[in-house]
Amino acid sequence: GAGVSQSPSNKVTEKGKDVELRCDPISGHTALYWYRQSLGQGLEFLIYFQGNSAPDKSGLPSDRFSAERTGGSVSTLTIQRTQQEDSAVYLCASTLLGFQETQYFGPGTRLLVL
Amino acid sequence: DAKTTQPTSMDCAEGRAANLPCNHSTISGNEYVYWYRQIHSQGPQYIIHGLKNNETNEMASLIITEDRKSSTLILPHATLRDTAVYYCIVSGYGNKLVFGAGTILRVKS
Repeated sequence: GAGVSQSPSNKVTEKGKDVELRCDPISGHTALYWYRQSLGQGLEFLIYFQGNSAPDKSGLPSDRFSAERTGGSVSTLTIQRTQQEDSAVYLCASTLLGFQETQYFGPGTRLLVL
Repeated sequence: DAKTTQPTSMDCAEGRAANLPCNHSTISGNEYVYWYRQIHSQGPQYIIHGLKNNETNEMASLIITEDRKSSTLILPHATLRDTAVYYCIVSGYGNKLVFGAGTILRVKS
């Protein structure tokens, strides 16, 4: 079946602009995760959605970052007033139930802030 | 904070077994050892995980020492397509995964 998809695959924006990144998890997966990967670095956890529970936002680096998940499926990560240090690959993953399971990752969105 | 220590990089000849070590001396009793890999420009891919027993699947084998303070991921017959960054992660059941820098495995012909 279809895997996790993300859009856009690449995004170039100017400093100070807002951007929205989209993630479509695997159908039926209740848990969704966002990570960030800066050049040459490991993955940095950002936020976790599990069903109807309040999301775990403990990894969001600042209040310029927010995410929502509508209808328990598609998620949007929004970065307001982008800064150059926000340039990274933003990865989304999903699992059927939660953290204890295999995470299936999307291809990522490469964000470049000029 | 990553709870694991891995070599920065390793080389392996094509067709030979690749043995990737990981130290996790502070692992606690309810924490699992997970291995993921990331091929260039792709999202990470799950390989295998275990608690205390050795595990094997179609991709790899995971050998965990009796004291659980270290483990080894074994790719039995490495191919060029196995060139990737390999992440060893220790995490409790239901807890988030924390990715460190991983090991860059280069498979050479």
